Amino acid sequence: NAGVTQTPKFQVLKTGQSMTLQCAQDMNHEYMSWYRQDPGMGLRLIHYSVGAGITDQGEVPNGYNVSRSTTEDFPLRLLSAAPSQTSVYFCASSSTGGRLSSGNTIYFGEGSWLTVV
Amino acid sequence: GQQVMQIPQYQHVQEGEDFTTYCNSSTTLSNIQWYKQRPGGHPVFLIQLVKSGEVKKQKRLTFQFGEAKKNSSLHITATQTTDVGTYFCAGRRAGSYQLTFGKGTKLSVIP
Repeated sequence: NAGVTQTPKFQVLKTGQSMTLQCAQDMNHEYMSWYRQDPGMGLRLIHYSVGAGITDQGEVPNGYNVSRSTTEDFPLRLLSAAPSQTSVYFCASSSTGGRLSSGNTIYFGEGSWLTVV
Repeated sequence: GQQVMQIPQYQHVQEGEDFTTYCNSSTTLSNIQWYKQRPGGHPVFLIQLVKSGEVKKQKRLTFQFGEAKKNSSLHITATQTTDVGTYFCAGRRAGSYQLTFGKGTKLSVIP
């Protein structure tokens, strides 16, 4: 089991460029999400999905798109990168969609460090 | 929207001292989770609390969930250098899929 795999690990973009952060999980989890982590701000939810074909916005969705065509994959697209999107991005997955459950562990990927210049 | 406040933001302790971080939610929570993130690493799940007044222990770590299900704490007894990292709480409201994270408490342990 690889768990949650994110690529790339590091990326430098120029302002205005677009790119996709990839996220894949091999645990057959229904729930997947993207967070960004900035110094002093903790983890903020960008978008999430409770299953294939279903996505919803989190706390900070502007400037990002997601899709969920399969259970395994949940890519995050930056449409036109801005310096304010410089951050560390984490993809996470869990089973049961976050409902009350004794087995409701959230697994995080190792992170993608993005710099927009 | 839901807010989760976590204090303190930073804590420096001598090795062997105890450490506590506190988490307060603006709304009643369905459950609360705790995570640890080592420097340069990713958050790792520690525990989930579900019941009002629940107390759980993991070796030197004690987790509590308040009676009103709006606050929680993590206490580490006799800290070790391996405890270094940032500890996050994350709360979920009933009927919501979203986890709201606190800003974390960064723990430094001086040998």
